[in-house]
Amino acid sequence: DAGVIQSPRHEVTEMGQEVTLRCKPISGHDYLFWYRQTMMRGLELLIYFNNNVPIDDSGMPEDRFSAKMPNASFSTLKIQPSEPRDSAVYFCASRRAGSSYNEQFFGPGTRLTVL
Amino acid sequence: ILNVEQSPQSLHVQEGDSTNFTCSFPSSNFYALHWYRWETAKSPEALFVMTLNGDEKKKGRISATLNTKEGYSYLYIKGSQPEDSATYLCASPTQGGSEKLVFGKGTKLTVNP
Repeated sequence: DAGVIQSPRHEVTEMGQEVTLRCKPISGHDYLFWYRQTMMRGLELLIYFNNNVPIDDSGMPEDRFSAKMPNASFSTLKIQPSEPRDSAVYFCASRRAGSSYNEQFFGPGTRLTVL
Repeated sequence: ILNVEQSPQSLHVQEGDSTNFTCSFPSSNFYALHWYRWETAKSPEALFVMTLNGDEKKKGRISATLNTKEGYSYLYIKGSQPEDSATYLCASPTQGGSEKLVFGKGTKLTVNP
């Protein structure tokens, strides 16, 4: 089992540029979550999908952030335009419906630096 | 809003020391408490899912206890090794069986050889 796959692992970009982060969940998992990790705020949920449909995006910080899940094996998180305060590690996680107490499986994260 | 707190924020111990840290959460409407281990540049890895008051779980030198009545969980590491260096996160659903997990800010453990 390959686990959750994220790309790129590192991204350095300049303020104002568009950034796209990618995630491939574990095959057969129905839920997909996007998180942001910062020193100040810890791990925060941005948005989650169930069967490719966005269920709760209340954690998305502002309109510059958008997420899509066009099919069961792929999701993107886009930031346009990016700002230095978006610098963080972005994690994707997935889980299967009915799994033990909502246990989630995480990808290795994308470390984003916006200069 | 559910608040999950962890202490201490960071911890430095010597190889061979035993250590423990705390996760506190609201005791009302408890559903489950998750512990994760996160090494930098790797995926956060699930350690335990704890559900019952008085639960105690163990994986090698790491164990955890749960007190749902007072709203806390302890994670213990016996005989710490440098490879135990990581950030330990706990999380609980926002309410009942909610899909949304609220994470504490973590305890960063450094084990010095």
